[in-house]
Amino acid sequence: NAGVTQTPKFRVLKTGQSMTLLCAQDMNHEYMYWYRQDPGMGLRLIHYSVGEGTTAKGEVPDGYNVSRLKKQNFLLGLESAAPSQTSVYFCASSYSPETPNYEQYFGPGTRLTVT
Amino acid sequence: GQQLNQSPQSMFIQEGEDVSMNCTSSSIFNTWLWYKQDPGEGPVLLIALYKAGELTSNGRLTAQFGITRKDSFLNISASIPSDVGIYFCAGQTYSGTYKYIFGTGTRLKVLA
Repeated sequence: NAGVTQTPKFRVLKTGQSMTLLCAQDMNHEYMYWYRQDPGMGLRLIHYSVGEGTTAKGEVPDGYNVSRLKKQNFLLGLESAAPSQTSVYFCASSYSPETPNYEQYFGPGTRLTVT
Repeated sequence: GQQLNQSPQSMFIQEGEDVSMNCTSSSIFNTWLWYKQDPGEGPVLLIALYKAGELTSNGRLTAQFGITRKDSFLNISASIPSDVGIYFCAGQTYSGTYKYIFGTGTRLKVLA
C-alpha cells in the first residue's frame, strides 16, 4: 500500500516549456487535489476532482490544467511554464467528505523550478 | 480567498518543554485537521477533529476543535528533537463543494 505517489520528484523547466505531473493513489479515494506550496504562503489549492472524469478549479488555477481519466490518477499540466510557477507541488487524496474518515493524505511533493 | 491565521509563525523550545500553537478564522469550519511536514516531504496527518468542542489525543499530541468552530489548537507535551518541523492546520468548509483551507504553518525547532 503506497498511499499517494508523485512523479517526478524534481524538475527544472525553461520558460515556455510544458510538462505533466502525475499523481497516483491506491486508497480508492474519490477526491483528489493539487496544491502548490510557496514560502510563507502555506498550501494553496490549484485544482481538484470529486471523481473520475470530473475536475474543478481551486484557489489558483490559472496556468494549469488537470485531468482525471482514471480514479486512481490525477494529472497536473503546465502548458507554458512561467517563473512564477516555481514551487513545490503536492497531490492529495481523500474519501468524499460525506463519509467518515475523509481526511486528506498527501504525496511527497514535486519540486519544480522554472528558469 | 479564505485565510487561516496560524500562530506562532515559528518557535524555538527546549527539549522537554510543552508547545502550544493555534489557528483562528473568521469563518466556521466543519472539520479541523493538523498536519506535520518534515523538510522535503509532504504533510502527514496528525489529528482530525470533527465536532465543536472535541478534544483528541495522539500520543504526546492533543488538539481541540473550538466551541465557536472558528479555531483550533494543538499541544505537544514533553517535546523531543524529532518534533522539529512545520505544523499546519487545515479547516474544511462547504460552499457548494467541500474544500480545505490551510494555515501558513508554525515552524518548530527543538533545542536539545
